Formats: sequence, C-alpha cells, structure tokens
Amino acid sequence: AQSVTQLDSQVPVFEEAPVELRCNYSSSVSVYLFWYVQYPNQGLQLLLKYLSGSTLVESINGFEAEFNKSQTSFHLRKPSVHISDTAEYFCAVSDYDTDKLIFGTGTRLQVFP
Amino acid sequence: DAGVIQSPRHEVTEMGQEVTLRCKPISGHNSLFWYRQTMMRGLELLIYFNNNVPIDDSGMPEDRFSAKMPNASFSTLKIQPSEPRDSAVYFCASSLRGAEGNTIYFGEGSWLTVV
Repeated sequence: AQSVTQLDSQVPVFEEAPVELRCNYSSSVSVYLFWYVQYPNQGLQLLLKYLSGSTLVESINGFEAEFNKSQTSFHLRKPSVHISDTAEYFCAVSDYDTDKLIFGTGTRLQVFP
Repeated sequence: DAGVIQSPRHEVTEMGQEVTLRCKPISGHNSLFWYRQTMMRGLELLIYFNNNVPIDDSGMPEDRFSAKMPNASFSTLKIQPSEPRDSAVYFCASSLRGAEGNTIYFGEGSWLTVV
C-alpha cells in the first residue's frame, strides 16, 4: 500500500528566510504527486502537482517542488517566505490505477516577523 | 466555475441527534470523496464514490455513519445518532477520474460540533 511521510510536523521560520518542507512516499509504481495548502479555518487548496514531464513544478505564489524518483521524494521549497504563508501543508500521492489520494500527516509552517 | 459546495458550513447539535451533511461536487466530476479532519487523527478518507457507486467505504468509522450519492450532483453523509467524538471538520471533494492525475478539489468543509 502507498504511504506518504512528512517528517516535520512543524516548521518555524522567520519572514524572508528560505524553507523546505519534506515529503517522501513509498511506491514502486509510477505516481502522481501533490501539495495542498490549508489556511486557518479553510479547506484544502491545491498548491502544485507533478504528473509527468519536468521534475520541477512551480506554484503561482513562489513555491516549487522537485520530483526525485530515486529518492522517492517531493520536497516543497520557497526561497523567501511571507507571513501569509503560515498554513498547514499536505503532501499527497496517487498512482495510475486508483483515484484515491493518500495524504501525509501535514506540516505546519509558522512564519514569524 | 463553482467549486465543491458543502452545507451546512457550521453545525452544533446535541448528542443523539441526527446530522446530515450535504455536498454538491464540481459539475462533470465523476468521483466524490468524504474526508474527516481532527487534531488527533488528521485527515481521514471515510468513503469515496465513482459514478455514484460507493467504491471504498473502509474508512467509515461505524454503522452510525452512512453516505449516499443518489445522482451525479449530490451526496450526503449522515450520522445517526451523533456523539461528541464525531466533532470534526468534514470535507467533501471531487475529481474527474483519469484527468489531471486524479487531482481532487475540496469544499470549504462542514464544521460539526456535537455537545
């Protein structure tokens, strides 16, 4: 069965600092990979996704994630965070045979001024 | 385009009462998911439907929970009788199977408090 591991439950960082949120998955088959963001008291919103092609994918608000097949990772990065990036971030994986997404436990990013 | 629409957004009910949560998926989507989110257990998949048929209900906690999808544009999640431990945020989500890597889109959630 597929699984997703987000090792960091919380990541505190100062504004304008770089950040990396880690995500590893376990799968021996081809997968689709996703990052969702949940702002306080809101639903989950799709941040970015990897389906195929370029292993580096970007979001409109400056986040990027790189698919690394050999390390089965899909880490999320941003070179300079803002206060408004404070949220919970979920990594998710699905494979070609199912339409279920398997979610990680989430990483809470807290940006301090 | 309208996203996934859930109602009610907030509900406070007394233990033992029946609770019905409603969901309208994105038009054209053929898969629908019900998730529950709590601090203790995180995000849990309760049940999902494809073409209105329940495919996997292994996440439904117990017989007090039931879900239906009578047509492609409507689904309900019912809890009867409700208990305080059912307090959580319930999310509905939908996708078009086979498209966009099965990207699922979430509603804003129904915040349930059972007292």
